[in-house]
Amino acid sequence: DVKVTQSSRYLVKRTGEKVFLECVQDMDHENMFWYRQDPGLGLRLIYFSYDVKMKEKGDIPEGYSVSREKKERFSLILESASTSQTSMYLCASGPNTEAFFGQGTRLTVV
Amino acid sequence: LAKTTQPISMDSYEGQEVNITCSHNNIATNDYITWYQQFPSQGPRFIIQGYKTKVTNEVASLFIPADRKSSTLSLPRVSLSDTAVYYCLVGDIGDSSYKLIFGSGTRLLVRP
Repeated sequence: DVKVTQSSRYLVKRTGEKVFLECVQDMDHENMFWYRQDPGLGLRLIYFSYDVKMKEKGDIPEGYSVSREKKERFSLILESASTSQTSMYLCASGPNTEAFFGQGTRLTVV
Repeated sequence: LAKTTQPISMDSYEGQEVNITCSHNNIATNDYITWYQQFPSQGPRFIIQGYKTKVTNEVASLFIPADRKSSTLSLPRVSLSDTAVYYCLVGDIGDSSYKLIFGSGTRLLVRP
């Protein structure tokens, strides 16, 4: 079974903190994705990566950055967390259209 | 990227067959049609993918007419556990830089 593991299920951070969300996959997939999901707004793509050290912006990259130093790990970084970034964050990996999702990290910024 | 249009919501009853149609008028020659299912508080789950005619697996069937401008996800004999949001996506599976973009999806409610 493909496994996509997100480092935390729930996270509470303070405004202004630098936040790291980690995602690890065990299937040697080249493509990895970060989304956020909010009620009424659906799943929105923040960043994706199609190879090590390669990244492309999704629909809402502002306030976020990513890092992909190794194939299996894709990190989402909130440079200075704000309350508007309170959300469910979902990581996915997969060969283009068939992606496997992690369980999600519910981040609350207070 | 081809845009997709789906109904916002659908209601059904246990044991019925449910058909969810997705329109994708601008589908490109190399595009495949992919459907995902998402339960509350979970990430989406891939359920089926096809290029033309009919594809069937243990979960669902996917019907694609010859012009490929629409597709229909068919769920046979739904149960309460099929209550979920269903997303239709269109994209080129050979494109290594394909962005997996989700639309609003169809919220299916299965009633007893």
